Amino acid sequence: GIQVEQSPPDLILQEGANSTLRCNFSDSVNNLQWFHQNPWGQLINLFYIPSGTKQNGRLSATTVATERYSLLYISSSQTTDSGVYFCAVDFGGYNKLIFGAGTRLAVHP
Amino acid sequence: EAQVTQNPRYLITVTGKKLTVTCSQNMNHEYMSWYRQDPGLGLRQIYYSMNVEVTDKGDVPEGYKVSRKEKRNFPLILESPSPNQTSLYFCASSLSGGGGFSGYTFGSGTRLTVV
Repeated sequence: GIQVEQSPPDLILQEGANSTLRCNFSDSVNNLQWFHQNPWGQLINLFYIPSGTKQNGRLSATTVATERYSLLYISSSQTTDSGVYFCAVDFGGYNKLIFGAGTRLAVHP
Repeated sequence: EAQVTQNPRYLITVTGKKLTVTCSQNMNHEYMSWYRQDPGLGLRQIYYSMNVEVTDKGDVPEGYKVSRKEKRNFPLILESPSPNQTSLYFCASSLSGGGGFSGYTFGSGTRLTVV
């Protein structure tokens, strides 16, 4: 069946470190987004990236649709980057986003 | 500013007392949807709407109602809330089903507690 798998499930970093979060998906995609859920529960859209590479400040993302994975890079991490990062995919025909289980990131000073 | 607005942000209510969570978007999006988020279960779709007067069930529609009388609004109605509907709720919109050309925009969430 259709699946979205994220790794690692948990990540602890020292402030200033870099990290890579991975999202594997089981079928071709219409839409792929990365979200950050902050400690207040809000879902912040980071990237809309069904294919290719995008950058926004210290964050960047790459989706290789033919190989069915996406990567989110966080450089020079800050304590405010803490929270849960979700990859969400619209596979087409389902009229919804299917979320991965998330990567819980804790950045310590 | 382009946004999806949900109200209220927090709500504590009692079992059986009807409530409505409002959702409004200012982007002229055709598609709107409701999700709930629960520990260990992730985010699951409740209902969605492809356009005005067109709604359909998602994965967990039991105990919920929706309506889409205007393009900008998509309220979620709990006619007789129960404790198992305690959850974090999100409204989302996009230009069209499938996310359009810019993906889905989510509201800030409504944290509902039913006692």
